[in-house]
Amino acid sequence: AQSVSQHNHHVILSEAASLELGCNYSYGGTVNLFWYVQYPGQHLQLLLKYFSGDPLVKGIKGFEAEFIKSKFSFNLRKPSVQWSDTAEYFCAVPNQGGKLIFGQGTELSVKP
Amino acid sequence: EAQVTQNPRYLITVTGKKLTVTCSQNMNHEYMSWYRQDPGLGLRQIYYSMNVEVTDKGDVPEGYKVSRKEKRNFPLILESPSPNQTSLYFCASSSLQGLGYNEQFFGPGTRLTVL
Repeated sequence: AQSVSQHNHHVILSEAASLELGCNYSYGGTVNLFWYVQYPGQHLQLLLKYFSGDPLVKGIKGFEAEFIKSKFSFNLRKPSVQWSDTAEYFCAVPNQGGKLIFGQGTELSVKP
Repeated sequence: EAQVTQNPRYLITVTGKKLTVTCSQNMNHEYMSWYRQDPGLGLRQIYYSMNVEVTDKGDVPEGYKVSRKEKRNFPLILESPSPNQTSLYFCASSSLQGLGYNEQFFGPGTRLTVL
């Protein structure tokens, strides 16, 4: 069965630091990959998604993610975080039925 | 505005008292789903629906019921809530065409506490 693993449960950074959040998935075939963000007290919103083509995907608010098939990874990056990036981040992969399988989530705290 | 709405947003109840959390979407989506979010566990699917009158169990369906009588609504029913159902609940919807490729739209969440 498809599974998703996020290695970092809680990340604390200072403003302007660079960010990389890890995401690994288990399925080796064709995959679609998503990153969702949940700001404090809000619902999940789509940050970016990958279906095919260029493995470097750019999303909203300066985020990007790189799909590396050989490593089964889809890590989320941002060169310089802001206090407003404080949120919980979820990596997700749909299974064959279209159901989203979520990782455990990574809580990001950015200190001003 | 395209959105998924849930009510109530916050609910404190006692063990055994039946409750319903409503979910409604205005995007004419066929696919709707309920998740619960617990610390360290991410989001786990409770039930989903591919269309009106078509529902199926997700990963953690025990203690929950759903119905899909209308396309826009997908209520979550807890017949006899227990403290282990204390959680944050999200409803989501998506177009069935391209399911798995399309973004799922999430509601604002319902924080449920069962005493």
